[in-house]
Amino acid sequence: AQSVTQLDSHVSVSEGTPVLLRCNYSSSYSPSLFWYVQHPNKGLQLLLKYTSAATLVKGINGFEAEFKKSETSFHLTKPSAHMSDAAEYFCVVSEPTGFQKLVFGTGTRLLVSP
Amino acid sequence: EAGVAQSPRYKIIEKRQSVAFWCNPISGHATLYWYQQILGQGPKLLIQFQNNGVVDDSQLPKDRFSAERLKGVDSTLKIQPAKLEDSAVYLCASTPYDRAATGELFFGEGSRLTVL
Repeated sequence: AQSVTQLDSHVSVSEGTPVLLRCNYSSSYSPSLFWYVQHPNKGLQLLLKYTSAATLVKGINGFEAEFKKSETSFHLTKPSAHMSDAAEYFCVVSEPTGFQKLVFGTGTRLLVSP
Repeated sequence: EAGVAQSPRYKIIEKRQSVAFWCNPISGHATLYWYQQILGQGPKLLIQFQNNGVVDDSQLPKDRFSAERLKGVDSTLKIQPAKLEDSAVYLCASTPYDRAATGELFFGEGSRLTVL
């Protein structure tokens, strides 16, 4: 079965500094990987997705993630944090069924201080 | 376009009582999902519908949970009787038929259930 491990439950950064949210995956197949973001009292929103086209994936709001098969990692980064980036971030892997079944990680809460 | 609508947003019940949650997906979205998100955990799929047919309900506790999607549009998730461990946020998501394979889901804001 596919699974993801988010290595940090909380990450704190200052506004303007880089963001790194770590995710490792386990998959028997060539996986599809995603990052979803959940702002307070808002629905989950797709940030970016990897589906084997390119190992460096760019998403919305300046976020990007790099797929590294040798390290089984899919870390999320952003060069400069903004206050509005404060949210819960979920790394997600899909199971290769006919309709993709998403398996979510436990989430990383990003805190951004002024 | 309007997003996924869910109600009620909050519900508090005693254990052994019943509760129902309603979801209206984005217009035209054929695939609908119910997820359970327990505090401190990631969302877990309970059931997936394609139009009004069930695609996957392998993780739905069928002795107490039921879900239906009549006419392939809105959906209801019911819990009867509720247990303390059912306290969670219940998320509804939808996606167009041709995007179900891409993993891009559109989520509602969720219904928060507290069981006392």
